[in-house]
Amino acid sequence: DTGVSQNPRHKITKRGQNVTFRCDPISEHNRLYWYRQTLGQGPEFLTYFQNEAQLEKSRLLSDRFSAERPKGSFSTLEIQRTEQGDSAMYLCASSPGTGIEKLFFGSGTQLSVL
Amino acid sequence: GQNIDQPTEMTATEGAIVQINCTYQTSGFNGLFWYQQHAGEAPTFLSYNVLDGLEEKGRFSSFLSRSKGYSYLLLKELQMKDSASYLCAVRLSGGSYIPTFGRGTSLIVHP
Repeated sequence: DTGVSQNPRHKITKRGQNVTFRCDPISEHNRLYWYRQTLGQGPEFLTYFQNEAQLEKSRLLSDRFSAERPKGSFSTLEIQRTEQGDSAMYLCASSPGTGIEKLFFGSGTQLSVL
Repeated sequence: GQNIDQPTEMTATEGAIVQINCTYQTSGFNGLFWYQQHAGEAPTFLSYNVLDGLEEKGRFSSFLSRSKGYSYLLLKELQMKDSASYLCAVRLSGGSYIPTFGRGTSLIVHP
């Protein structure tokens, strides 16, 4: 168990650019979640996959946000035409699909939009 | 909608006991989680309650009253390393496994 891995740890970009983040969940976990967290706030849910199926995406912040999990393993979160308000920590979590379904979080990707 | 309330910040003394409260108003309920998050790090799981009562795990205990929409996290024998944000998260009923988080309580432990 190597834990949930997110890359990159930090991303600095200019307004208007596209960015993509990657999340590798714990290998036997079939559920994967994306959250966004700003300073002093709790994680805000964005989207959720069970295997390769994206079961909830209505909470993605705008149509500039999209996520994929093509083979039910790793996932990517893309933000197009970034805005300064997109600056935040983007957290990925996975859960095993059994038991109490506690989330295991990655260390996050800190996005700064200049 | 969902509403989860926690105090923004608390302070306590090393060796003392502190209770962090969480109240929630949600459409359905299927469990409540507490997570700990140190500054700049990922949240880590502390406890889970789905039935009323107290769950004890070492220095940490968590209590739930579903009828009151209320939970608390109790930390005993506080240590400096317990300085962190404590996040309350509620999972709704209806087949979704998505926890909704409160804003977190920043706990500062001083000598």
